Amino acid sequence: NAGVTQTPKFQVLKTGQSMTLQCAQDMNHNSMYWYRQDPGMGLRLIYYSASEGTTDKGEVPNGYNVSRLNKREFSLRLESAAPSQTSVYFCASSDHRDRHSNQPQHFGDGTRLSIL
Amino acid sequence: RKEVEQDPGPFNVPEGATVAFNCTYSNSASQSFFWYRQDCRKEPKLLMSVYSSGNEDGRFTAQLNRASQYISLLIRDSKLSDSATYLCVVNSLYNFNKFYFGSGTKLNVKP
Repeated sequence: NAGVTQTPKFQVLKTGQSMTLQCAQDMNHNSMYWYRQDPGMGLRLIYYSASEGTTDKGEVPNGYNVSRLNKREFSLRLESAAPSQTSVYFCASSDHRDRHSNQPQHFGDGTRLSIL
Repeated sequence: RKEVEQDPGPFNVPEGATVAFNCTYSNSASQSFFWYRQDCRKEPKLLMSVYSSGNEDGRFTAQLNRASQYISLLIRDSKLSDSATYLCVVNSLYNFNKFYFGSGTKLNVKP
């Protein structure tokens, strides 16, 4: 059981380049999330998708776009990469269906992205 | 004010010690509570959910104090392998699709 799979695991970009981070989950979860984590800081939510077909902004959405392609897949796109977007990116999913669900999140291994 | 606050530590303890961390949250409507463990920039992994009556999983005990708006994690008989960063996570009743993470408390267990 793979859980949450992220690709690529590592990437180096030049400023201004674009790329898409892929995330897929095989747990039939409704909700999916993208976070970034910078040294000495906690996880910050970029975007999330409560269900297939919906996406919402998190704390730090500027410079990113997302697509919930289907129930399994949630991608994060950097249209014009900037050095400030150098970070570790984590995708997560949860089976959070309503406010009483009390379901935790499950994380992928992360994508380590460096922008020069 | 941050939604979730934790003492960053580090907590340096010898093997076999008992150590406790607290985490405070600001939203009284918070509904769900979790402790995660994160090793050296790897992905966070669920350690345990926190239930209203408190719960235990082996050497780990979690407590919730709604009146004072904090949760705690107690680790007994610390092992070297417990060295990690412990993240407190809170979910809101009214915005239940968002999870709020503390910055983490670092634990170093020494031989």
